[in-house]
Order: sequence, then structure tokens, then C-alpha cells
Amino acid sequence: RKEVEQDPGPFNVPEGATVAFNCTYSNSASQSFFWYRQDCRKEPKLLMSVYSSGNEDGRFTAQLNRASQYISLLIRDSKLSDSATYLCVAYNNNDMRFGAGTRLTVKP
Amino acid sequence: DGGITQSPKYLFRKEGQNVTLSCEQNLNHDAMYWYRQDPGQGLRLIYYSQIVNDFQKGDIAEGYSVSREKKESFPLTVTSAQKNPTAFYLCASRRAVGSHSSGNTIYFGEGSWLTVV
Repeated sequence: RKEVEQDPGPFNVPEGATVAFNCTYSNSASQSFFWYRQDCRKEPKLLMSVYSSGNEDGRFTAQLNRASQYISLLIRDSKLSDSATYLCVAYNNNDMRFGAGTRLTVKP
Repeated sequence: DGGITQSPKYLFRKEGQNVTLSCEQNLNHDAMYWYRQDPGQGLRLIYYSQIVNDFQKGDIAEGYSVSREKKESFPLTVTSAQKNPTAFYLCASRRAVGSHSSGNTIYFGEGSWLTVV
């Protein structure tokens, strides 16, 4: 079983839609969590950190459920520019574990 | 500007050759990492270093070697022992070893594309 698992997608949604991704992690000792965005043939870039209480940044909301060991990312009012692959990351004791990513395509 | 610089961006290697990918950071980060990404797949850890003159193998270290002689630099050598080296290589760094909050954020260089010809 992979340490961090994501639905690979692709998720194809129309502009303006709300879309949510989940990511599960197997190591209950994981301390910090992040969502990264990766565009085609580019490096991953930090989208947001995920805090225990959940956090929101504009159209993006991230939540953590430690009991069920998953984190989620919600994107509201999707834009064409949101099309990318979204990587989930779990951190524990200097060990960063990446999910394989969920691909999102937002269409006009 | 602060950041992580990888070079070269594109590299072609002949069978049996060793090649070295450069990674330099001026963020004063403690930890540095090398990941490999194959098409449509996630990042796999090759090597990482938490402090100067120390490094550890990741999940797929075979056929690779690294050094960490300076805090700013973490070059990766892809040796001829690596049988399938064609991939996208990402160098990354993180500020504080062992910290729990914002120091855990990992930042990436722009990546190096290695192709075996």
C-alpha cells in the first residue's frame, strides 16, 4: 500500500464548478500536510499547507481529518487556469511523502 | 532573488556515461532532496541530506550518487549503473530540519530533463 494515495483522475469539470479531491495517508505519525500544484512539465509549487482546523485561501479550502487519515482540497468557482495536477504531501520526521497526483482539467 | 537553481534543464546521455545534475540553493535551507518523476507518476525520493557532509538513501538510490560538501549545493550523479535514467529530476530544499510547521515546506527547482540516447 502506498503511503499517500490519491485518485489519479482525470477530473474534467466545467468552468465555475466546485471540485473536491481527497488524499489518504497511511502513517498516523504524519505531522504536516500540504497540497502542491504541478503544471505539465513543470516543477510542483506549493498551493497551501493543511492545518488541523482546516484553512481557506480564496477559492481553495483544505481540510485534515486525522481520525480517518485523509486530507481534502476543495476548489470553488473553477477557472481554466486551475487545470493542473494536484499533489498531496504528508510529512513526518524529515520524510516527505508525495501522492502520485490528481489531474484536473477545467473546460470552458 | 532567492531560490533553487538546477542545471542543465535538458541533458542527453549516452549509454554507459555518468552525468551530474547541479542543484544550488541560496535560501539558507538545511535539508536538500533529489526526486525522480516519470511520466504520469508521482515523485520518488532518490537521496536526501539534512546537513552538510551527510546524506541518506531514499527509495530508489541505486545507480545514483550525491555529495553535500556545501550547504548550498547538492549535486546528483546518474551513473551508468542506473539502467533506466530517462526521467524528470527535481531538486528541492527545506528550511528547518525537524521543525513542525512552516519550516516543513519544501520548495523545488525547475527540474532537469534527462534523456538517454
